[in-house]
Amino acid sequence: NAGVTQTPKFQVLKTGQSMTLQCAQDMNHNSMYWYRQDPGMGLRLIYYSASEGTTDKGEVPNGYNVSRLNKREFSLRLESAAPSQTSVYFCASEQSTEAFFGQGTRLTVV
Amino acid sequence: AQSVTQLDSQVPVFEEAPVELRCNYSSSVSVYLFWYVQYPNQGLQLLLKYLSGSTLVKGINGFEAEFNKSQTSFHLRKPSVHISDTAEYFCALGYSSASKIIFGSGTRLSIRP
Repeated sequence: NAGVTQTPKFQVLKTGQSMTLQCAQDMNHNSMYWYRQDPGMGLRLIYYSASEGTTDKGEVPNGYNVSRLNKREFSLRLESAAPSQTSVYFCASEQSTEAFFGQGTRLTVV
Repeated sequence: AQSVTQLDSQVPVFEEAPVELRCNYSSSVSVYLFWYVQYPNQGLQLLLKYLSGSTLVKGINGFEAEFNKSQTSFHLRKPSVHISDTAEYFCALGYSSASKIIFGSGTRLSIRP
């Protein structure tokens, strides 16, 4: 029972590089989310997708893009990484008000 | 706009002592309220949630929370904590299924033997 799977778990990027964080859920949930977690700031919503084919901006969308490829997968792309994007990124899926989280991706931009 | 405020960034308590973690929210519409727990180097997992009905909600690991609409609060309590409760706790709100889930800044609970 995998739940929500994020890859990679760790990544170091140089400023200006691009990368895509992958997220997949096997619970047939409609809603999926991307958050970033920074010390003392809790989780801040980057983007969310209420259903396949729809995406909406959250609190901190600048510098990110997302793709809801299908019902299972919701990817987060950094086109030109900046040191301010150093963070832990969490993907979540939700059904009937309960959210399930992946283990996180720790990203460092140098 | 909706928001969640966790009043304490850190709460140290002795093992077997009671604990209360405070959460206040602001919203112009009816909300759902949640408490999540994050153990070190892990993702978040749901402790409990309030959707409607009884204002006292019981969750996993002996935790409970009380919804107080007049005080816009949803404080988390446990009568006797254990070392294994050491974690960060997040209060969160949503206002419907598939709505945004908004988190507070978290409270780090540290248990002293």
